[in-house]
Order: sequence, then C-alpha cells, then structure tokens
Amino acid sequence: DAGVIQSPRHEVTEMGQEVTLRCKPISGHNSLFWYRQTMMRGLELLIYFNNNVPIDDSGMPEDRFSAKMPNASFSTLKIQPSEPRDSAVYFCASRIIGTATDTQYFGPGTRLTVL
Amino acid sequence: GNSVTQMEGPVTLSEEAFLTINCTYTATGYPSLFWYVQYPGEGLQLLLKATKADDKGSNKGFEATYRKETTSFHLEKGSVQVSDSAVYFCALSDGLGMRFGAGTRLTVKP
Repeated sequence: DAGVIQSPRHEVTEMGQEVTLRCKPISGHNSLFWYRQTMMRGLELLIYFNNNVPIDDSGMPEDRFSAKMPNASFSTLKIQPSEPRDSAVYFCASRIIGTATDTQYFGPGTRLTVL
Repeated sequence: GNSVTQMEGPVTLSEEAFLTINCTYTATGYPSLFWYVQYPGEGLQLLLKATKADDKGSNKGFEATYRKETTSFHLEKGSVQVSDSAVYFCALSDGLGMRFGAGTRLTVKP
C-alpha cells in the first residue's frame, strides 16, 4: 500500500522565492497534518485539516506560510517569500479521524534549503 | 495543556546492551501513547502504541507499558543492535492532535 507521498524530496531555493510543498495522504484518511523539523526546535505542528477543513493553524509561523487542501487526496504548503530561517525538513502526516488510537502516518519529508 | 517529556540524549550504547528511554506525560483524560522512530533521512515511523492504562505495546523487540500511576511510557529493549541507531520520539494523542517529545538520539556501536 502506498504511504503518504511528499514532493519534492529536496528543494533548494534562494531567499525571496516562492516554495510549494506537496502532499498526498493515504487513501481513505480524512485528517492531514503538516510538521516542520529543525535541530533547534524539534518537531513542530504547523497546521492540520479534518475532512479538508483547516482546524488549527496556530503553529503556522507567520503570514508567509499558507496551506490548502482542495480535496481529500492533495494538500500544499506554500512559503512566500521564503527566508533562510525556513530551512528545515517538512513532514506531512495523515490519519483516520475517530479511530481508537489516532495513529498518524508520516511521509518521507521534504528537505528545504533556502539560501 | 497536554505534553510529553522525554529523556534527553544523545544515548550511546554498545551492541547487545539494554536500552531504556524515559518518557513521561501530562494529560487530562486518557490519551493514547506512542513511540515513533526516525532513521536517518527518513520520516517518522510508528514503532509501538498503547491506548489505555497497563497496556503494553511491543514491536521489533521494543516494549513500553502505559503506566497511569506514574504517567510514564518508557521505551525498553533487552539487546540493542547497530541497526537500532535512530531518533526515538515519544508522543501522545488526546483527540485534538498529537504531541511529540523532543526526541532522543540513540547510537549503537558494534
């Protein structure tokens, strides 16, 4: 079975450019999460969706970050304009709402480097 | 709010040594508890989980028991291998989301 799919796996861009990260959740999952991982701050939840609706975006660092989920099988995280401090690994995870364990399944991540 | 605190690393062990990584939690209600493992260059993978008090999760020789009286979910393995070298994350799910610990880096030397 396909797990969570993220693209690209690596992204190198220059400061000021727009960056779009993509995620395809596991088929049948109805909740999706975006995380950022850095050495300094560890794993941070940025935003999550239930049934394609954003539920909690309090972790989004600032207005330069935006996330969308136009349908159940696709989500994007956009950074515009990007800054060097945005360099991190960005993970997407999905789950099925309402199951007893609420287990989240993670994608392989996108390593973003902003020069 | 709900939170997880886990043992700071890094932890370095010799092959076949016993491993314990401590994890304690603060939560209202009855959260589910998890251990995730992250190998170099990869995403987090579910290692084991427990959904209620006294449950024991186990996988690949790793075990953790949900202890409500001590609010703990310590990860143990009797004999570690070099291939167990990774970062381990304790987490809880309270229905609103998942909260992760800071991660503990384990290095196992031959």
